[in-house]
Amino acid sequence: GAVVSQHPSRVICKSGTSVKIECRSLDFQATTMFWYRQFPKKSLMLMATSNEGSKATYEQGVEKDKFLINHASLTLSTLTVTSAHPEDSSFYICSARDGFQYEQYFGPGTRLTVT
Amino acid sequence: AQTVTQSQPEMSVQEAETVTLSCTYDTSESDYYLFWYKQPPSRQMILVIRQEAYKQQNATENRFSVNFQKAAKSFSLKISDSQLGDAAMYFCAYEGRDDKIIFGKGTRLHILP
Repeated sequence: GAVVSQHPSRVICKSGTSVKIECRSLDFQATTMFWYRQFPKKSLMLMATSNEGSKATYEQGVEKDKFLINHASLTLSTLTVTSAHPEDSSFYICSARDGFQYEQYFGPGTRLTVT
Repeated sequence: AQTVTQSQPEMSVQEAETVTLSCTYDTSESDYYLFWYKQPPSRQMILVIRQEAYKQQNATENRFSVNFQKAAKSFSLKISDSQLGDAAMYFCAYEGRDDKIIFGKGTRLHILP
């Protein structure tokens, strides 16, 4: 089946710094990628939708200047958490839609801890 | 806006028995997809089963089957012959025209040996 990878799987950063998370579709072209946030023992909350070559669309309540999303190619989307604070600590999951199969595949997630 | 409701935060079932997880949703769309995802402790989301709204026949995948009631907007998951490896968080999810997947709050399933 289709594989989506995320890097890093875990990251610890200091408050005030920025951290970048990569989401890659390894064996298919992803016309659309989605970014989710999951708090402990909670559900996945959609943060934004990114389409290759265009600006991301953010869900209501998500700060676009805090969570920068770039979808520069059909296999790569990045989420940059800028000026991170402890409340940004969470599990971030991406998913990618296969443009041909019309299926959506999830990455393994990235655990971000801001100290 | 679409919503997905899972009213059972936790459930337990004896190994080899059958369990049903409930899910209801709300939408004004006529064409959509419904899913059940499993999230084990590794946190990797695993697709368990998928149902197209235009199909009347309930989807099945081995020990997993759904009861899709479109008029009632109900989409329950039945797990037969429960196994220890089925223990996980299960999320009901909806995907509409905008391709966004909306998740319910999840049901944690415990399998009792």
